[in-house]
Amino acid sequence: DARVTQTPRHKVTEMGQEVTMRCQPILGHNTVFWYRQTMMQGLELLAYFRNRAPLDDSGMPKDRFSAEMPDATLATLKIQPSEPRDSAVYFCASGPGLGSTDTQYFGPGTRLTVL
Amino acid sequence: GQSLEQPSEVTAVEGAIVQINCTYQTSGFYGLSWYQQHDGGAPTFLSYNALDGLEETGRFSSFLSRSDSYGYLLLQELQMKDSASYFCAVKVQYNFNKFYFGSGTKLNVKP
Repeated sequence: DARVTQTPRHKVTEMGQEVTMRCQPILGHNTVFWYRQTMMQGLELLAYFRNRAPLDDSGMPKDRFSAEMPDATLATLKIQPSEPRDSAVYFCASGPGLGSTDTQYFGPGTRLTVL
Repeated sequence: GQSLEQPSEVTAVEGAIVQINCTYQTSGFYGLSWYQQHDGGAPTFLSYNALDGLEETGRFSSFLSRSDSYGYLLLQELQMKDSASYFCAVKVQYNFNKFYFGSGTKLNVKP
């Protein structure tokens, strides 16, 4: 049963600290997405990769956020420095690429709390 | 800008039928997806419509009218486990599977 995995599942940190979230997409999927979910803003797309290349990160605050795919099995999202307003659930999703349904498979999320 | 409108909350009884509407105004449109999310869980894919009409998958059906910029998710024979949030999402670019998500509709199923 192939799944997207994310670590850590929960993270509590203090303002100003660096936060790194990791995602392992489903093997064979060539698209990876990072989303942020809050009660106020809903589900927001932060970054989108295809074949490890960043195609769109227009939804990401560039001054403190960065997203990378060092290899096909790992995607990372970093926040440096973190702020209380970054508190949210961060989801990674992967997909098999362009197709009839463009389905995205979401990981369990990382619940981030910045104090 | 991108705008997707969904009701914030819907309540129905077990065994009933419920329809969750989604209207959109987006810079591009190439398809409409629906996702289900239980509290504390991750969104899971339900359906995708690229063309006008009704798509049926078991108890769930999804409808799209491109001319009306409107779609809906129809849930039949409601079960308690259907209590969740339901999101519509619009694919806005043809060769990128980039989606904008609505704010979600919380469905409460009562006995």
